[in-house]
Amino acid sequence: AQSVTQLGSHVSVSEGALVLLRCNYSSSVPPYLFWYVQYPNQGLQLLLKYTSAATLVKGINGFEAEFKKSETSFHLTKPSAHMSDAAEYFCAVSDQEGAQKLVFGQGTRLTINP
Amino acid sequence: NAGVTQTPKFRVLKTGQSMTLLCAQDMNHEYMYWYRQDPGMGLRLIHYSVGEGTTAKGEVPDGYNVSRLKKQNFLLGLESAAPSQTSVYFCASSYRRMVDTEAFFGQGTRLTVV
Repeated sequence: AQSVTQLGSHVSVSEGALVLLRCNYSSSVPPYLFWYVQYPNQGLQLLLKYTSAATLVKGINGFEAEFKKSETSFHLTKPSAHMSDAAEYFCAVSDQEGAQKLVFGQGTRLTINP
Repeated sequence: NAGVTQTPKFRVLKTGQSMTLLCAQDMNHEYMYWYRQDPGMGLRLIHYSVGEGTTAKGEVPDGYNVSRLKKQNFLLGLESAAPSQTSVYFCASSYRRMVDTEAFFGQGTRLTVV
């Protein structure tokens, strides 16, 4: 079965600093990979997705993620953090059974310090 | 355009009581999903539907039932609530598979079973 591991349940950075949220996946076949963001008291919102077209994927709000097959990683980055980036971030991978649904990681809560 | 609407937003149940959570979407989406979100465990799929009249089990289906009698509605039922079902429940919908198109999430239902 597919699985996703997000390293670090909480990440804290200063405003203007680099944001790096880590995601590793296990998959025996090339997967679809996603990052979703959940702002306080809201549902999840798609940030970006990888579907094998390009290894560097750009998303909304200045975020991007790089697919590294050799490392089975799909880390999320943003060069300069903004206060509005404070949220919980989920990495997800497509399941193997016909790719009907996604398997989500445990989530990483991002805090931005002024 | 309301998107995905979940009813109710909050509920407290006593052990053994039953209830139904309603998810309604107005985007003519084929696929609908019910997830539960627990601290440190991310989102786990309970049941999903790939079209009107169809349902399928997800990762954690025990203790839940679902129905998709109308394309726009996906109901999640708890026949005999247990404290282990205390969670935040999210409904999502997508036009096609989640790996092909963006999934839209509701704002969640916070359920407490005492």
